[in-house]
Amino acid sequence: EIVLTQSPGTLSLSPGERATLSCRASQSVSSTYLAWYQQKLGQAPRLLIYGASSRATGIPDRFSGSGSGTDFTLTISRLEPEDFAVYYCQQYGSSPTTFGQGTKVEIK
Amino acid sequence: QVQLRESGPGLVKPSETLSLTCIVSGGSIRSYYWSWIRQPPGKGLEWIGYISYSGSTNYNPSLKSRVTISLDTSKNQFALKLSSVTAADTAVYYCARGLGGLFFDYWGQGTLVTVSS
Repeated sequence: EIVLTQSPGTLSLSPGERATLSCRASQSVSSTYLAWYQQKLGQAPRLLIYGASSRATGIPDRFSGSGSGTDFTLTISRLEPEDFAVYYCQQYGSSPTTFGQGTKVEIK
Repeated sequence: QVQLRESGPGLVKPSETLSLTCIVSGGSIRSYYWSWIRQPPGKGLEWIGYISYSGSTNYNPSLKSRVTISLDTSKNQFALKLSSVTAADTAVYYCARGLGGLFFDYWGQGTLVTVSS
């Protein structure tokens, strides 16, 4: 199975700053089948990005995804207070679908 | 607006079978792929398996020998059974709708299942 490694484990930033989250796969992810989710404490994950760079319905344009092959990035251009949460990447090009271990974006 | 809601016992004894149901409202279950995903307390996400609208299934190899997912189109719901549970199966269990290759656009709120005697 494909192992996804997210870095950093924790990102400490202030509102208004730019956040750059990394997701690296142990093998190439076919057809850019890579998604990103946001999870807040006590809530279910929320889909942000699919197909590596397509925003899900209702997701603000400050969220963007990029990458291909084994290296993918989620960028939040200017952090809003509601963006402080845990972010997970997921590959779905190879079965079983797998998730990264998460990056926590916390208020500095 | 599609909504999913998990239901089932919050406490299961070791060696017994965990059973959960996910009721889908606001849309038909006769399309898409329907998955179960779990998250142990304080940890990451693990996909358990899915059932398609046609009834075909695909399970995570790590759990395949213990998992059964079924579909009830008349009730617009699907179910999870996980047998021979241990404390390692303690987790929040989510049901979710899968799209195109299997990313998840709608999730239930999750239900905590604790395995303990």
